[in-house]
Amino acid sequence: KAGVTQTPRYLIKTRGQQVTLSCSPISGHRSVSWYQQTPGQGLQFLFEYFSETQRNKGNFPGRFSGRQFSNSRSEMNVSTLELGDSALYLCASSRTSGHDIQYFGAGTRLSVL
Amino acid sequence: AQKITQTQPGMFVQEKEAVTLDCTYDTSDQSYGLFWYKQPSSGEMIFLIYQGSYDEQNATEGRYSLNFQKARKSANLVISASQLGDSAMYFCAMSPGDFNKFYFGSGTKLNVKP
Repeated sequence: KAGVTQTPRYLIKTRGQQVTLSCSPISGHRSVSWYQQTPGQGLQFLFEYFSETQRNKGNFPGRFSGRQFSNSRSEMNVSTLELGDSALYLCASSRTSGHDIQYFGAGTRLSVL
Repeated sequence: AQKITQTQPGMFVQEKEAVTLDCTYDTSDQSYGLFWYKQPSSGEMIFLIYQGSYDEQNATEGRYSLNFQKARKSANLVISASQLGDSAMYFCAMSPGDFNKFYFGSGTKLNVKP
């Protein structure tokens, strides 16, 4: 059974640009969550999607958005990139949307120059 | 407020010995899940063990066990017979209520010495 797949693995952007990250969950999983990991702030929850609906949102500005498709694949978009957006972005999937075990992908490492 | 605290930034353990990683949590929810993840230098978060707030027995998964003390709001991870491959960052996480929103601790870097 394939795990959670995140693409791309590495990304370099400049300030002001926008970026889209992709996440394919484990087959059969309907919940996808996104997290940002930085040395200073640690792991922070961005948002969770379940059956194409955003169920939860963390404390991030509106520049961070996401969506989920009917096949449960999810994308995360960050517009008007700032230097502070440099981070490891982790996607996790689970079968249900209720303190279920989340399985993480390898992450996308975003560097903003 | 939801909070997870890991007070050990770094730890050393001798190969084949047992080690306990500390985790305390704070939540007003009665229903919640507690999790431990391992993050090697490659970055991927690897699920280790889960404990539900209503589970009366401590969870075990192979060499991993979770010492759950509900009244003290602690969920310590015990790794028995440490191996060199156990060297990594370890994160404690909590998912309160009926949501998949994880709150993570700051992590403990474990180094296993040969």
